Amino acid sequence: GDSVTQMEGPVTLSEEAFLTINCTYTATGYPSLFWYVQYPGEGLQLLLKATKADDKGSNKGFEATYRKETTSFHLEKGSVQVSDSAVYFCALNSGGSNYKLTFGKGTLLTVNP
Amino acid sequence: DTGVSQNPRHKITKRGQNVTFRCDPISEHNRLYWYRQTLGQGPEFLTYFQNEAQLEKSRLLSDRFSAERPKGSFSTLEIQRTEQGDSAMYLCASSLSVGGNTIYFGEGSWLTVV
Repeated sequence: GDSVTQMEGPVTLSEEAFLTINCTYTATGYPSLFWYVQYPGEGLQLLLKATKADDKGSNKGFEATYRKETTSFHLEKGSVQVSDSAVYFCALNSGGSNYKLTFGKGTLLTVNP
Repeated sequence: DTGVSQNPRHKITKRGQNVTFRCDPISEHNRLYWYRQTLGQGPEFLTYFQNEAQLEKSRLLSDRFSAERPKGSFSTLEIQRTEQGDSAMYLCASSLSVGGNTIYFGEGSWLTVV
């Protein structure tokens, strides 16, 4: 079945450092790919998405490129801030009607001042 | 634009009691989803509705769980005879069925079974 594998955390960075969180997937067909972010005690917020190969999703300085050849969707940000501290989830949708999300286990990011 | 609303946000219950969570989706969204998230894990799909029809249920949704969406608007998730293993965050989400169908999540309902 479909699955998402994320880089294990926690990841601890200093402010203004470069961030990469790796995500690879296994899926049948052509899924759409997502990054969601979860701040402490809150639900999930969509950070960015890409719906087809070579698409780049971007938002709030974060970006990720849908790489079909490597089945990857790595999240990057050039300069992280303390406010980026959160858990980041990579996800794909599955099913012919694109109705169901399969998530990775999440990566905890802590950014220190 | 109001987002997905869930209540209660937190619930502590004794083992064996029944609990019910409510979800109000984004108003024009015809799809509604329930997920469960345990500590240190990503959310896992439980079930989803298109309008009032429940179209899929995960194996995770045991007989003690029941979800309804009677008028195609809000939904309830009831857990009967709760067990300690039911302790988790229950997330509701909604989307349109067309137009890219980005799924939007609520803030979740935390359940602690003691």
